[in-house]
Amino acid sequence: KQEVTQIPAALSVPEGENLVLNCSFTDSAIYNLQWFRQDPGKGLTSLLLIQSSQREQTSGRLNASLDKSSGRSTLYIAASQPGDSATYLCVPNDYKLSFGAGTTVTVRA
Amino acid sequence: ETGVTQTPRHLVMGMTNKKSLKCEQHLGHNAMYWYKQSAKKPLELMFVYNFKEQTENNSVPSRFSPECPNSSHLFLHLHTLQPEDSALYLCASSQEGGGGRSSDTQYFGPGTRLTVL
Repeated sequence: KQEVTQIPAALSVPEGENLVLNCSFTDSAIYNLQWFRQDPGKGLTSLLLIQSSQREQTSGRLNASLDKSSGRSTLYIAASQPGDSATYLCVPNDYKLSFGAGTTVTVRA
Repeated sequence: ETGVTQTPRHLVMGMTNKKSLKCEQHLGHNAMYWYKQSAKKPLELMFVYNFKEQTENNSVPSRFSPECPNSSHLFLHLHTLQPEDSALYLCASSQEGGGGRSSDTQYFGPGTRLTVL
């Protein structure tokens, strides 16, 4: 069974700081990995999808890396803004999505 | 409307009530999913439908009864629920479910916040 661990569990930073969110997963035989954002009480919004053959994906201020062999992914958010406050979920897909508890980010104005 | 929609967005019900959650996807996908997210816990997959057929039931109690009349609509019928069933229920869809499992991206709805009194 795929286990997903995200560190740290929570993070509070002042506006403008860069964020680094870490994810590890136990089964490296994945098809892809997604990073989602979830606002309190809301659904999931897909941020980035990295295929298993890729090393990284970028979208605006977001950059995600994937080291499949070691079971690790990192999400970088540059120049954080208060609107980035949310829970971020790393979701590996080994033909089924596996969810961890996420990292809850608070960006202070 | 586009994407995945869910109604109602909030629902409060007593333990003896019967209610239904509705999910609709406008993406032309063939697979649909129900997830449960309890407070402070990761999402848990409940059911998967692929081409209207149920392909996965993750040991969900029978007080939750899914229905998929077509590839665009998914319902979750609720009856005699317990207070511990209070949670956010999320619906998702993907292009294909491959017997319940897929490497395709899943698109999520906004969820229904359910409170059982």
